[in-house]
Amino acid sequence: QKEVEQNSGPLSVPEGAIASLNCTYSDRGSQSFFWYRQYSGKSPELIMSIYSNGDKEDGRFTAQLNKASQYVSLLIRDSQPSDSATYLCAAVRGSQGNLIFGKGTKLSVKP
Amino acid sequence: DADVTQTPRNRITKTGKRIMLECSQTKGHDRMYWYRQDPGLGLRLIYYSFDVKDINKGEISDGYSVSRQAQAKFSLSLESAIPNQTALYFCATSDLQGSADTQYFGPGTRLTVL
Repeated sequence: QKEVEQNSGPLSVPEGAIASLNCTYSDRGSQSFFWYRQYSGKSPELIMSIYSNGDKEDGRFTAQLNKASQYVSLLIRDSQPSDSATYLCAAVRGSQGNLIFGKGTKLSVKP
Repeated sequence: DADVTQTPRNRITKTGKRIMLECSQTKGHDRMYWYRQDPGLGLRLIYYSFDVKDINKGEISDGYSVSRQAQAKFSLSLESAIPNQTALYFCATSDLQGSADTQYFGPGTRLTVL
């Protein structure tokens, strides 16, 4: 089983809608989770980190964590065409401290 | 100036050649990482280093070696390049604070092995 799983998409939403990106992880020892955005041919850039169950909001972005269900999500409100990118979910591997990345979900926001 | 730099940014080489990719950082982080990214396979960890004297293999270290010359420098070598090592390579750094290990990525090196 892949340690961090994401739907590869593409996920297509109209401009102004809410985009919902989901991620599941297998290591119950993972305590820290991250969402990165990656434009084509560019390096990943950090959007959000989350460590506790519940919601964490930052501007138009909300990260949600449910450790019991081993589930992490990212909501993007008022989606813009500039949000079109691949979103990578990552979890800290409990025993080693390094990050395990999902394969990413490609998001397309249509004007 | 960028906090994490990689050289070269693009490289085309031939099968069997030795090649080195270099990474430098000015963030003062102890931890450094090398990843490769292939279409459909996501980011995969090659090697990581938690300090100058600590080097660890990642999930796909075969065919690669690394050198941590200083806190700020971490180099990746392909001793004898092969075509399936064609990929986008990223260096990253992090500084563990509590349980948080946020990683910051360099701009990437696009390597093509013919």
